[in-house]
Amino acid sequence: EVQLVESGGGLVKRGGSLRLSCAASGFTFSSYTLTWVRQAPGKGLEWVSSISSSSSSIYYADSVKGRFTISRDNARNSLYLQMNSLRAEDTAVYYCAREGVVVAAYDYWGQGTLVTVSS
Amino acid sequence: QSALTQPASVSGSPGQSITISCTGTSSDVGSYNLVSWFQQHPGKAPTLMIYEVSKRPSGVSNRFSGSKSDNTASLTISGLQAEDEADYYCCSYAGRDVVFGGGTKLTVL
Repeated sequence: EVQLVESGGGLVKRGGSLRLSCAASGFTFSSYTLTWVRQAPGKGLEWVSSISSSSSSIYYADSVKGRFTISRDNARNSLYLQMNSLRAEDTAVYYCAREGVVVAAYDYWGQGTLVTVSS
Repeated sequence: QSALTQPASVSGSPGQSITISCTGTSSDVGSYNLVSWFQQHPGKAPTLMIYEVSKRPSGVSNRFSGSKSDNTASLTISGLQAEDEADYYCCSYAGRDVVFGGGTKLTVL
C-alpha cells in the first residue's frame, strides 16, 4: 500500500525556518517525481515545488522561490522541504504528493502537515 | 502563474449531471493535454479523479469524465450522488510549473 506521511509542521514566527519531511512507503520511491502542494486555511490548492526522481530537475512556485528548498533522499525514501524567511501567507497545510504517470497527475497524497506562521 | 478560473460553486440534484469549467490560457490548459481534476472532501487530502484531460485512474467511477476545448477544460459528473458533494480542483501543467484552479464547491441538493 502506498503511503506518504508528512511531519515537521508547527508554529513558527515570521522570518523563521521550518523543515518538513515526507516519509514514503509501498512503492519504488526513486522512480517517481514528488511534489509539495499547500492549502491555506479555507482556501484552494497551490503547487509549491516539484523534484524529479534523481533530483536533476527542481521547480518552484514564484511565491516561494529563493526561500524554500526541496530535496529528497532516495536511500531513506524521504522528501523534504526547507522553508526559510517564513511569512504569514505561508500558513497552510502542506501536502506531499506523488506524481503518477504524467505531470500533474498526483495519484497519492499524504494527510498533510499544518504550518502556522505567527506575526 | 495565475490560477486557473473555476466557478465558485455549482449544484445539482441526485441523478442529474453537472459540469465544472476550468479556464486557463494558451500557456497552460491551451498548450498541454496535461489537465487533472481532484476531489476533496472536508478535512481530507485531495483525490485524483481525472488526468491527461480525460483519463480516469483505476477505481474512479465512470460517472466522472473530462474534456478540453482550447483554453478551457471541463469536468462532468453524471448521475449525481450524495457522496459527490465536495470541492473540485483542476490543475494544469504550464511549461515548468503547475497551476491549480481556485476550486469549485459542488452541492448535491
